[in-house]
Parts: sequence; C-alpha cells; structure tokens
Amino acid sequence: EAGVAQSPRYKIIEKRQSVAFWCNPISGHATLYWYQQILGQGPKLLIQFQNNGVVDDSQLPKDRFSAERLKGVDSTLKIQPAKLEDSAVYLCASSGGPTRSPNYGYTFGSGTRLTVV
Amino acid sequence: QKEVEQDPGPLSVPEGAIVSLNCTYSNSAFQYFMWYRQYSRKGPELLMYTYSSGNKEDGRFTAQVDKSSKYISLFIRDSQPSDSATYLCVVGSNFGNEKLTFGTGTRLTIIP
Repeated sequence: EAGVAQSPRYKIIEKRQSVAFWCNPISGHATLYWYQQILGQGPKLLIQFQNNGVVDDSQLPKDRFSAERLKGVDSTLKIQPAKLEDSAVYLCASSGGPTRSPNYGYTFGSGTRLTVV
Repeated sequence: QKEVEQDPGPLSVPEGAIVSLNCTYSNSAFQYFMWYRQYSRKGPELLMYTYSSGNKEDGRFTAQVDKSSKYISLFIRDSQPSDSATYLCVVGSNFGNEKLTFGTGTRLTIIP
C-alpha cells in the first residue's frame, strides 16, 4: 500500500512570499488532515477534511492560510503571505481504512519542511 | 494548561537499558491512547494504542494507562540504537471522530 505522498520535501522562501504544499492521501481514505509541527513541539491540527468538506478548521489562521481538497482526493495548503513564525514542518495525514485497522489506518506523510527567512 | 503534557527531554540512555517515557492529560473525555514514534525528517508512525487502563505489551514495548490519575507511560526494554527517535504521546476522545491531540514529544537517544 502506497503511503501519504507530500511535496515538496523542503522549501525556503522570504517573508511575505506565498507558498503551496501538496498532499496525496492513501487511496480510499476519506479523511485528510494538515498539521503544523514547529521544531520541538508536537503536531498541531490546522484543518481536517472529510471527503471534500471541511470538518474542523478552528486552528487555521484564515487570514493567511487556505486549504482545499477538490474532488475529495488530493489537497493543497497555501500560505500567503508567509511570516517568519510559519517556519515549521507541514504534515499531511489521512485515515479511513478498515475499522479493524488500528486508528482507522491513520497515516502521516514525511512532511514539507518550510523555512521562512 | 495543555491538554497533554510530556517531558520534552532530551533523554539519553545506554543500549540495553529500560526506558520510561511519561505523559499526563487533563481531560477525562479522552478515551483512547497512543504512542507515535517519529524518526528525524519523517512523519510520526503509530507504535502502540490502547483503550483501557492497564498494560499492553508488544515485543519490547509496554504501554501503561492509568485513567484515574490521567497518566500514560511507555516502557522500552532492551533498548536499541534503532529506538532513537522522538516519542509522541497522543490521545483521542472519539474513535470515530479521529481527532487526535499530541504531546510535545520526548526525544530519545540510545547510546551504543
């Protein structure tokens, strides 16, 4: 089974520039998550999709962050304009596998490491 | 108060030692408990999960939950250099909701 694919792996941008990250979840997983992991901290949920609808975006800074999941499959997360404090790893995860799977097969990608200078 | 508190370490122990990782949570609504392992430059991966108080063993790993004190532990026996990683304590309140709350993680290094 292919894992959660994310790209790019690394990105360096200047503050006030824009950036976009892409995620392709495990085939058949209905739920997709974007997390932000700042160095030395645990992942923080930014947004959760169920198919192509938003379930929870309460911690998404909507003045600068946006995310979409068109057609209920892959997803993009955008930051515009970026700030220095946005430097972090952005993790995508998906779930929704067979109920016998631990935690519905909740699986993370390797993340995109963003550095804002 | 954070929902999940975990000592960030770092923790360094010699190979073969028993490792004890701990965390506490504040909300009694959390009903299932997991440990994720995260290697450098990788995403977290599920290591163990449990729903009930008590011990759950899987090879060299034992997860322990005490719901009365809201305390979660992970023990690693016969630690190996390949166990060097960050260990994240994770809790959830509704299995069907699939919303997880992460601790800050403890960075562990096993010294050969």
